[in-house]
Amino acid sequence: DAKTTQPNSMESNEEEPVHLPCNHSTISGTDYIHWYRQLPSQGPEYVIHGLTSNVNNRMASLAIAEDRKSSTLILHRATLRDAAVYYCILRSSNTGKLIFGQGTTLQVKP
Amino acid sequence: GAVVSQHPSWVICKSGTSVKIECRSLDFQATTMFWYRQFPKQSLMLMATSNEGSKATYEQGVEKDKFLINHASLTLSTLTVTSAHPEDSSFYICSARGSTEKLFFGSGTQLSVL
Repeated sequence: DAKTTQPNSMESNEEEPVHLPCNHSTISGTDYIHWYRQLPSQGPEYVIHGLTSNVNNRMASLAIAEDRKSSTLILHRATLRDAAVYYCILRSSNTGKLIFGQGTTLQVKP
Repeated sequence: GAVVSQHPSWVICKSGTSVKIECRSLDFQATTMFWYRQFPKQSLMLMATSNEGSKATYEQGVEKDKFLINHASLTLSTLTVTSAHPEDSSFYICSARGSTEKLFFGSGTQLSVL
């Protein structure tokens, strides 16, 4: 299963945009890029996913590099409730599994 | 949105007893369910993958006789921790996938073995 690399932690100010980077240089052509976030003592929450094109939904935007070796999760206006651990994961179309890395702990300052 | 219900949310048991955790997809049919465990301040570790009606596939290092997984229907999977010991204390999380690419997670079960 291809791996992802994310910064351990990031800080943001409330109401400012946040760009969370993810490197996945060993991604294969059929791997989907998933983002989930987790609050303490809760199960992860789906944020967004994509394959090749950039994606937008009500929670965030996902920008995928042309070579697909990296991606960026964009929170357009961070709120205190966005403070969480964000996981960038590749889902193999062969195995179907989501293997979690260490994620990025996002702190949002008021 | 799709909901995955996991019960119980926490359980305390004596060493040597077995504990069953249920995971239900409430409004969709889950063809595949995954079971994870998570230790404090660590990431989720995939334990096994189960497809409805077939035997679960366990990740390397996960004892299949200790962590029994049953996926008897398209809406229910269970994880039974047999003969639990203190080192099995952890946060167990299930997830389910239906016909879309999204994966939905339960709220987790905190297991404490005394």
